[in-house]
Amino acid sequence: GIQVEQSPPDLILQEGANSTLRCNFSDSMNNLQWFHQNPWGQLINLFYIPSGTKQNGRLSATTVATERYSLLYISSSQTTDSGVYFCAVGFGRSQGNLIFGKGTKLSVKP
Amino acid sequence: DVKVTQSSRYLVKRTGEKVFLECVQDMDHENMFWYRQDPGLGLRLIYFSYDVKMKEKGDIPEGYSVSREKKERFSLILESASTNQTSMYLCASGQGRGAEAFFGQGTRLTVV
Repeated sequence: GIQVEQSPPDLILQEGANSTLRCNFSDSMNNLQWFHQNPWGQLINLFYIPSGTKQNGRLSATTVATERYSLLYISSSQTTDSGVYFCAVGFGRSQGNLIFGKGTKLSVKP
Repeated sequence: DVKVTQSSRYLVKRTGEKVFLECVQDMDHENMFWYRQDPGLGLRLIYFSYDVKMKEKGDIPEGYSVSREKKERFSLILESASTNQTSMYLCASGQGRGAEAFFGQGTRLTVV
């Protein structure tokens, strides 16, 4: 069936370190988004990136649709980057609903 | 900025009560969605709507119904709340197939 897999499930970093989060998906897609879930539970949009590369400050993302993966890069991490990062994918046959990965829980230590 | 607003941040209800969770979006989006999030199970789609008065079942519709009488508002209804419906509920909206989706702040529902 359709699957979205994220790795690693957990990541602990020292402040200032860089990291790469990966999202693999099992079928052709028309939407890929990265979210950060804040401590209150809200999903904050980081990137809408069905293809190509985007950058926003210390964060950047790349999606290679033909190889069915996306990467989220966090550079010079800060304690405020801590939380859960989700990749969510909209597949070709869907009406716009997203299939979520299980998330990567990031902890940045001071 | 897109705004998706859920009516309550926290809610405590009794078993057997009828519960309404409301969601409003201000971007004239066609699609609206209800998800629930549970530890170990992730986010799962309950219902979605792609037009006024139209609805489609998601992966876990049992025990829920929805209503979309106006384009901007999508309501999730728990006909008779049960303790296994204690969860975080997230509403989202998007313009259509392949479009970016935006989420509300979430409602933490506890059924006692």
